[in-house]
Amino acid sequence: NAGVTQTPKFRVLKTGQSMTLLCAQDMNHEYMYWYRQDPGMGLRLIHYSVGEGTTAKGEVPDGYNVSRLKKQNFLLGLESAAPSQTSVYFCASTPGRGDQETQYFGPGTRLLVL
Amino acid sequence: GQNIDQPTEMTATEGAIVQINCTYQTSGFNGLFWYQQHAGEAPTFLSYNVLDGLEEKGRFSSFLSRSKGYSYLLLKELQMKDSASYLCASLDSNYQLIWGAGTKLIIKP
Repeated sequence: NAGVTQTPKFRVLKTGQSMTLLCAQDMNHEYMYWYRQDPGMGLRLIHYSVGEGTTAKGEVPDGYNVSRLKKQNFLLGLESAAPSQTSVYFCASTPGRGDQETQYFGPGTRLLVL
Repeated sequence: GQNIDQPTEMTATEGAIVQINCTYQTSGFNGLFWYQQHAGEAPTFLSYNVLDGLEEKGRFSSFLSRSKGYSYLLLKELQMKDSASYLCASLDSNYQLIWGAGTKLIIKP
């Protein structure tokens, strides 16, 4: 099992460009999450999904969109990148409701917006 | 508001014991997690507490006091590989994890 994988690992964008980050998990997990991690701050939830075809906003959703067309994939889109979106993005998944379940993280995507 | 507080950085000596504290204020509470994150890597699960008391797991132990909104992670027999950031996270009433900024632990020989 590969666990949780993220594509790409690193990307440089110019302000205004768009891109999609892909998260894939092969553990048949229901719940998936997108976080961003910035220096001196905790992980902040951008969007999450409790199942195929469903998504919900987290703490910092502005400037991002997501889709979960297939259970194993969770896509994070930036329509018009801004320097404030320079960050490390982590995807995570849990088997079910997540009340007692640990989150399994992908290796992260480092995004630099110039 | 929701808030997780933990020290920014701590230094300890190889072979010693260190305690990393975490205080939390979240809307509702469904458990307290500790994760380890090495530089440039993803967080990995260390422990989960939902009841008061101490949970021991090898060299690592985690303690929870729900009445005080307080937890700590205790690391014994420190090894150089324990140099990492330790993240405290509280599961709120919506089963969302609220994360602290992390404590960077530096181990010196």
